[in-house]
Amino acid sequence: DVKVTQSSRYLVKRTGEKVFLECVQDMDHENMFWYRQDPGLGLRLIYFSYDVKMKEKGDIPEGYSVSREKKERFSLILESASTNQTSMYLCASSSPKTGGNSPLHFGNGTRLTVT
Amino acid sequence: SQKIEQNSEALNIQEGKTATLTCNYTNYSPAYLQWYRQDPGRGPVFLLLIRENEKEKRKERLKVTFDTTLKQSLFHITASQPADSATYLCAGAGNMLTFGGGTRLMVKP
Repeated sequence: DVKVTQSSRYLVKRTGEKVFLECVQDMDHENMFWYRQDPGLGLRLIYFSYDVKMKEKGDIPEGYSVSREKKERFSLILESASTNQTSMYLCASSSPKTGGNSPLHFGNGTRLTVT
Repeated sequence: SQKIEQNSEALNIQEGKTATLTCNYTNYSPAYLQWYRQDPGRGPVFLLLIRENEKEKRKERLKVTFDTTLKQSLFHITASQPADSATYLCAGAGNMLTFGGGTRLMVKP
């Protein structure tokens, strides 16, 4: 089974702090994604990556950046955390080898609170 | 912009009945739709995928339909059980995978 591991389940940070959310997958997947999930808004794509050192903006990239130095690891960075970034953050991976309609494999999320 | 809409109200049904959840899409024509299950405090788990040229797909007690005329997918759980209680997410594939807000299903014993 594919395992996507997010380093923290809960995180509390102060406004203005730099925050790192880490995600590791163990199935050699090329594609990795960061979403945030908010009540009433569903899952919204922040950034994704199709390969090492590659990154693409999703629907809501403002205030975020990402890093993919190794194939298995995809990091989400909040350069200067703000209260409107309080949310559930979900990492996912998929493989294009099974076709462009590959299902996503999600981690269990990091609930970030910015005070 | 492309949109996936699901009923935000919770669906409450009795154990043993068939649950039917609706997913509507607007402003695009997804090549396929995916359905996920999400339990509280957990990430979504993939259930089923249906392509636009498939009218129906089944997996055990699950059935998904894809109606390109109505721009709608229906997700059915037959002989529902309390363990089926969860939030179900629909996602449509355009340039990106677009998710709906999910529908919470509560199956009462």
